[in-house]
Amino acid sequence: GQQVKQSSPSLTVQEGGISILNCDYENDMFDYFAWYKKYPDNSPTLLISVRSNVDKREDGRLTVFLNKSGKHFSLHITASQPEDTAVYLCAAGSNQGGSAKLIFGEGTKLTVSS
Amino acid sequence: DMKVTQMPRYLIKRMGENVLLECGQDMSHETMYWYRQDPGLGLQLIYISYDVDSNSEGDIPKGYRVSRKKREHFSLILDSAKTNQTSVYFCASSPGTGASAETLYFGSGTRLTVL
Repeated sequence: GQQVKQSSPSLTVQEGGISILNCDYENDMFDYFAWYKKYPDNSPTLLISVRSNVDKREDGRLTVFLNKSGKHFSLHITASQPEDTAVYLCAAGSNQGGSAKLIFGEGTKLTVSS
Repeated sequence: DMKVTQMPRYLIKRMGENVLLECGQDMSHETMYWYRQDPGLGLQLIYISYDVDSNSEGDIPKGYRVSRKKREHFSLILDSAKTNQTSVYFCASSPGTGASAETLYFGSGTRLTVL
């Protein structure tokens, strides 16, 4: 089965609103969680990541919330802009001697409408 | 300039032909990966390489093999390609150590079509 799952294939948000992207995982050994952003015909790039020893991490308009008991993490984007329109991929893994075997979700296509 | 380079960008092959996808990185990263991306399935890990000649199967290794003879190069080989291997293939590398050990740097992808 899918170890990392994004249940919403798409999301539309008005410009200036808050975009909330969700991700669920199965393996409670995962200790590293990340969000990647992908534009069409481009490669994924890391947006923000968090380790399991924290519940929240902020970076500008981005915040990752981690709920370990619920095996769930989310990405909140405040003041959403049209340039935030992209596919967002969540990823989780465990750091095995420094090399994480990251498992990715299916992706959520975010559209920010102006 | 930190970069992961994939060649070619686009490739069309016939069923049964052999396929070689090449990947290079100039960051001296220990760990390299091959993923494929299909609609609705996200990125699926095919193989991971922890260093030269130290390769491990990912989640969907069947039909693929890899070769890593130099740290900066990681090749994906399809012996006798099948139509269900039509996909976009991404190579990635990660430092493996330090604060950003797990950060993946991706190449631009290779769009493979098997007819």
